[in-house]
Amino acid sequence: EVQLVQSGGGSVEPGGSLRLSCSASGIMFSDYALTWIRQSPGKGLEWVAAFYSGSGQTYYADSVEGRVFISRDNADSSMSLLINTLGGEDTARYYCTATVAGRWPVLDYWGQGTVVTVSS
Amino acid sequence: QAALTQPSSLSASPGASASLTCTLRSGINVGAFTIYWYQQKPGSPPRFLLKYKSDSEKQQGSGVPSRFSGFKDTSANAGILLISGLQSEDEADYYCMIWRSRAVVFGGGTKLTVL
Repeated sequence: EVQLVQSGGGSVEPGGSLRLSCSASGIMFSDYALTWIRQSPGKGLEWVAAFYSGSGQTYYADSVEGRVFISRDNADSSMSLLINTLGGEDTARYYCTATVAGRWPVLDYWGQGTVVTVSS
Repeated sequence: QAALTQPSSLSASPGASASLTCTLRSGINVGAFTIYWYQQKPGSPPRFLLKYKSDSEKQQGSGVPSRFSGFKDTSANAGILLISGLQSEDEADYYCMIWRSRAVVFGGGTKLTVL
């Protein structure tokens, strides 16, 4: 069974930083493309960042470019999202997703989500 | 103007069919894109339903019933998710998505009510 277990959310003051983590099991992690999606309260889905498996290429949404960094540790089957200079617009539930090799950009597996609240 | 526009809500009766549209902004040709559809129920992450580019390039998600199907209306520059034989369990939010210019783009989502 494929599982993506997320951790690292919480409440942060504006201007602060936060690292979200996602640990995978049940998959050959190194073969999967990884993505972070967020959803503001009561709102729709917003893509944040992606990390391809083969090329190692990373992609970021314009809205977070320069403030957000995605990384992966294939040996540990985990990935992280570092968000700097947090603002109110970053308040959301963040989902990590994994895409089966060759199926990009289908978001095959999703974590349960972790909530980030930016507030003073 | 958003790249993908979805009606915010849609209601339909059990047993009926529901057609959820995803209209691409002028200048973004639906024929060139694969449209991906996701379903999200309250308190759960989204679930991949299907992808559709053409009748020869489409794929159903794992375990997704065949009463969920994808189409395109090229005259309207839109992707369509058709749900036939509506069931109460189909009540959910539905999102369309494309991969464009090295970015994932979502529509705003449609809340489908089955009543």
